[in-house]
Amino acid sequence: DIVLTQTPLSSPVTLGQPASISCRSSQSLVYSDGNTYLSWLQQRPGQPPRLLIYKISNRFSGVPDRFSGSGAGTDFTLKISRVEAEDVGVYYCMQATQFPHTFGQGTKLEIK
Amino acid sequence: EVQLLESGGGVVQPGGSLRLSCAISGLTVSRSAMSWVRQAPGKGLEWVSTINTSGGSTFYANSVKGRFTISRDNSKNTLFLQMNSLRVEDTAVYHCAREVDIASGSHYGHWGQGALVTVSS
Repeated sequence: DIVLTQTPLSSPVTLGQPASISCRSSQSLVYSDGNTYLSWLQQRPGQPPRLLIYKISNRFSGVPDRFSGSGAGTDFTLKISRVEAEDVGVYYCMQATQFPHTFGQGTKLEIK
Repeated sequence: EVQLLESGGGVVQPGGSLRLSCAISGLTVSRSAMSWVRQAPGKGLEWVSTINTSGGSTFYANSVKGRFTISRDNSKNTLFLQMNSLRVEDTAVYHCAREVDIASGSHYGHWGQGALVTVSS
């Protein structure tokens, strides 16, 4: 199984400041079609997960442009350019390149 | 607007069974692979199972293989998860989710609110 390791597990951030979360995969996430099926999801308290970024860097419908994704192969990053109060929650990376689909442990974003 | 609505959760004793349903609207069900993902209380997300568009291919997490069965009825726009031989560690909120949007290649873009399954004696 592919293991996704996120760092940090907790991230206290000042409103208006940037935040960054790293996700490292135990093996390459490049699929045979050439795409890399690495996504980022946000889960606000009491809510289901919400897709933010897919295929490393593509923002899903309705996602603000302060969210961006980057990376390649086994190392990926989610960045929030200026954190807002509504960004509080847990962020997960996940891979759908290979079954079983797997998630990172989650990173809790909180406001200082 | 895509809507996924789970039902069928509840409290069951260890060794018991439950069947979850997910009513799907707002998308072409017959063209959508679908999945179940669960979240134990206070824990992270765990993929459980995926079914392809026709129902001919299914995939399971090792933790549920042989006990859970995913199925779908495209004529009724409904996804199912039959859960047998339930264990205490199966206690979780179970979400149905659209596995992939073929056009964009995005995975898990749509989720239901979830159904709580509690396995306890």
